[in-house]
Amino acid sequence: AQSVSQHNHHVILSEAASLELGCNYSYGGTVNLFWYVQYPGQHLQLLLKYFSGDPLVKGIKGFEAEFIKSKFSFNLRKPSVQWSDTAEYFCAVTRGGYQKVTFGIGTKLQVIP
Amino acid sequence: ETGVTQSPTHLIKTRGQQVTLRCSSQSGHNTVSWYQQALGQGPQFIFQYYREEENGRGNFPPRFSGLQFPNYSSELNVNALELDDSALYLCASSETTGSPLHFGNGTRLTVT
Repeated sequence: AQSVSQHNHHVILSEAASLELGCNYSYGGTVNLFWYVQYPGQHLQLLLKYFSGDPLVKGIKGFEAEFIKSKFSFNLRKPSVQWSDTAEYFCAVTRGGYQKVTFGIGTKLQVIP
Repeated sequence: ETGVTQSPTHLIKTRGQQVTLRCSSQSGHNTVSWYQQALGQGPQFIFQYYREEENGRGNFPPRFSGLQFPNYSSELNVNALELDDSALYLCASSETTGSPLHFGNGTRLTVT
């Protein structure tokens, strides 16, 4: 069964610091990869996705993620975080053409002004 | 465009009772997935409906069942409620199976 590991459950950063959130998945075949974000009081929403092609994908609000197939990783990055990035971030994976999306446990990011 | 809406927002039930949760999918989406999110956990896949047929199921017992209607709205039914069923239940619609998910705000179910 596929699984997703998020290494950091709670991250606290100062504004302008750089961010990298780790994500590893267990499935060895073709995968579709996602990062979802939940801002306080809002619903989960898509931050970025990887289906195929360039392994470096750009998302909303300056976020990007890099798919490294050899490492089964899809880490999320942002060069300079803002207070408004305070949210919970979920990595998710689905096998190509399969319905079930498996989510990680989530990482709570707190950005201090 | 109208997003995904779920009702009710909160619900309290007693162990052994049955519950029905409702979801209206986003306009143009024909696929609906249901997830259970326990406190401190990520969403867990319950099942997906595509054009009114169940199209994949997670590791949940048969007392979790669903429906999708011709307008692509959906229901999640849970029979014989157990205390461990207390969770946030999320509905997500997508343009088709495998497309990115658009989530509702969820229904918080408490079983006492």
